[in-house]
Amino acid sequence: GAGVSQTPSNKVTEKGKYVELRCDPISGHTALYWYRQSLGQGPEFLIYFQGTGAADDSGLPNDRFFAVRPEGSVSTLKIQRTERGDSAVYLCASSLKGFGTGSYNEQFFGPGTRLTVL
Amino acid sequence: RKEVEQDPGPFNVPEGATVAFNCTYSNSASQSFFWYRQDCRKEPKLLMSIYSSGNEDGRFTAQLNRASQYISLLIRDSKLSDSATYLCVVNKAGNTGGFKTIFGAGTRLFVKA
Repeated sequence: GAGVSQTPSNKVTEKGKYVELRCDPISGHTALYWYRQSLGQGPEFLIYFQGTGAADDSGLPNDRFFAVRPEGSVSTLKIQRTERGDSAVYLCASSLKGFGTGSYNEQFFGPGTRLTVL
Repeated sequence: RKEVEQDPGPFNVPEGATVAFNCTYSNSASQSFFWYRQDCRKEPKLLMSIYSSGNEDGRFTAQLNRASQYISLLIRDSKLSDSATYLCVVNKAGNTGGFKTIFGAGTRLFVKA
């Protein structure tokens, strides 16, 4: 079946612009996660959705970052007033169940969106 | 101090060698533990979930020591295709009542013919 997909695969923008990154999780997966990964580092947790609600958004670095998942499937990560330090690969993952459900909730990752802020 | 710490390597080993990676985590409330593998410019993929004190899957053995807050991964009979970055992963309760997943920075492995 189809895996997690992310669009666009690459995004180049100018400092101060607004960007939206989209994630299509695996069908039927209730949990969705956003991470960002810089070169030489592991993925950094940003936000976790269980269904439509953000169950933990403590990883969002500041109020320029916002994510939504209005129908409990597709999610959009929105970044306002982009800065050069926002350049990274933004990874989305989904799992069948979320945390605290007694499962080990294997996370399946999408290929990522490489964001470059000039 | 990082919440999940790994030796970045790189580990350079010949084919057939046994290699071990270590990982420590700082939050004693951490609840579940994993090893992921990430190939260059690719997304991470689950290698092993760690149950109880550890488990084995073919050439791979993972162990967990909750008292010492330490996780290990052992790879036996290394193959060229094992060359990748290995990420230690911990799930823990978040500060706002939710949960979050913490990745280590990864350990790079190069297996040479």
